[in-house]
Amino acid sequence: ELKVEQNPLFLSMQEGKNYTIYCNYSTTSDRLYWYRQDPGKSLESLFVLLSNGAVKQEGRLMASLDTKARLSTLHITAAVHDLSATYFCAVEGGATNKLIFGTGTLLAVQP
Amino acid sequence: KAGVTQTPRYLIKTRGQQVTLSCSPISGHRSVSWYQQTPGQGLQFLFEYFSETQRNKGNFPGRFSGRQFSNSRSEMNVSTLELGDSALYLCASSLEQGTLGTQYFGPGTRLLVL
Repeated sequence: ELKVEQNPLFLSMQEGKNYTIYCNYSTTSDRLYWYRQDPGKSLESLFVLLSNGAVKQEGRLMASLDTKARLSTLHITAAVHDLSATYFCAVEGGATNKLIFGTGTLLAVQP
Repeated sequence: KAGVTQTPRYLIKTRGQQVTLSCSPISGHRSVSWYQQTPGQGLQFLFEYFSETQRNKGNFPGRFSGRQFSNSRSEMNVSTLELGDSALYLCASSLEQGTLGTQYFGPGTRLLVL
């Protein structure tokens, strides 16, 4: 059964600092997704990573995928308060729309 | 283009009752998936519908069921509600069957079972 683990579960960081969120998954998959969720809100799609070595960047966020290591990272550069949210990675469970989500990382950026 | 819409947004029910939640996907999207989000279990896949057919089902009891209409709108039904069914129910739509594209999530229906 496909399992997805994220760490850390909680991340408190100061504005201007850099940090990385890690997402490990247990079985082969070529598609990995990152979502953001603000408190009380739905999920907002951030990145779709479709192949080994894929790297995508949007603003202060950069995501990468290593399918051989079954690892994706979400790197935060020079954090700002607006990035405070919960971040989820998700991996498809086979050739369907069944997404298996990680536990989420609650990011709190302190001024 | 309008996003995914879900109704109702909030719902309070009592144990033993049943509930029906509705999801309208983005125009042109034919796949609708449902997820349950709770603090304890996180985000869990319920089921997916494509072209009015259930394509995949998660590990939930038979009390959870759904259907999809010819216009791709989907409903989810939970019968004999239990306290543990209190959750945020999210639906997501995508253009293709299988995760060939991003799933776009609706605002969710927050269900409270008393």
